[in-house]
Amino acid sequence: SQKIEQNSEALNIQEGKTATLTCNYTNYSPAYLQWYRQDPGRGPVFLLLIRENEKEKRKERLKVTFDTTLKQSLFHITASQPADSATYLCALGGVTGGGNKLTFGTGTQLKVEL
Amino acid sequence: EPEVTQTPSHQVTQMGQEVILRCVPISNHLYFYWYRQILGQKVEFLVSFYNNEISEKSEIFDDQFSVERPDGSNFTLKIRSTKLEDSAMYFCASSEEYQGQPQHFGDGTRLSIL
Repeated sequence: SQKIEQNSEALNIQEGKTATLTCNYTNYSPAYLQWYRQDPGRGPVFLLLIRENEKEKRKERLKVTFDTTLKQSLFHITASQPADSATYLCALGGVTGGGNKLTFGTGTQLKVEL
Repeated sequence: EPEVTQTPSHQVTQMGQEVILRCVPISNHLYFYWYRQILGQKVEFLVSFYNNEISEKSEIFDDQFSVERPDGSNFTLKIRSTKLEDSAMYFCASSEEYQGQPQHFGDGTRLSIL
């Protein structure tokens, strides 16, 4: 069956450290993968998009990797701040037969502590 | 920065009633989407819309649902006869191109069915 799995437990880290979030998928062949941030009661906010032919993307303190062999994406936030506390969602796109719809994981709740 | 706007932010409706959720996508975007998120669950795709017609829909999007672009700026989701299980956050999103471009989300309409 098809699955998208993100860290099931909440992730608590200390301010200034690097947070690493994982997104693993099975029985999908996405053409691209997007990462979003979601705050309580708000809509997902787009952060980064990485395509299947790209290994790594960066934007300011954010970095995402995409390994289509391992069927895994890693999302890193360096020099984390309390303001980074939120739920982070990975979403697969361009899956075979799936058009442009995004298929979301359940999200990882990140808490950055002082 | 341009954003997707949704109204109302909260809609309370009696079971069996019709409800219309409204969205104003980003002005130069061509593709429009509706997703929903039941409390505590993941974001789920409902429908995508391009060139005044549905391009893809999920199993959730049954005959009770319809979408429309009544003018050059609005995009609506109608639920004809609401059920208790329709209670959820409904998010509208838009993107510039069909394949592999970021989808930008609004802050959603919280739909509560009594």
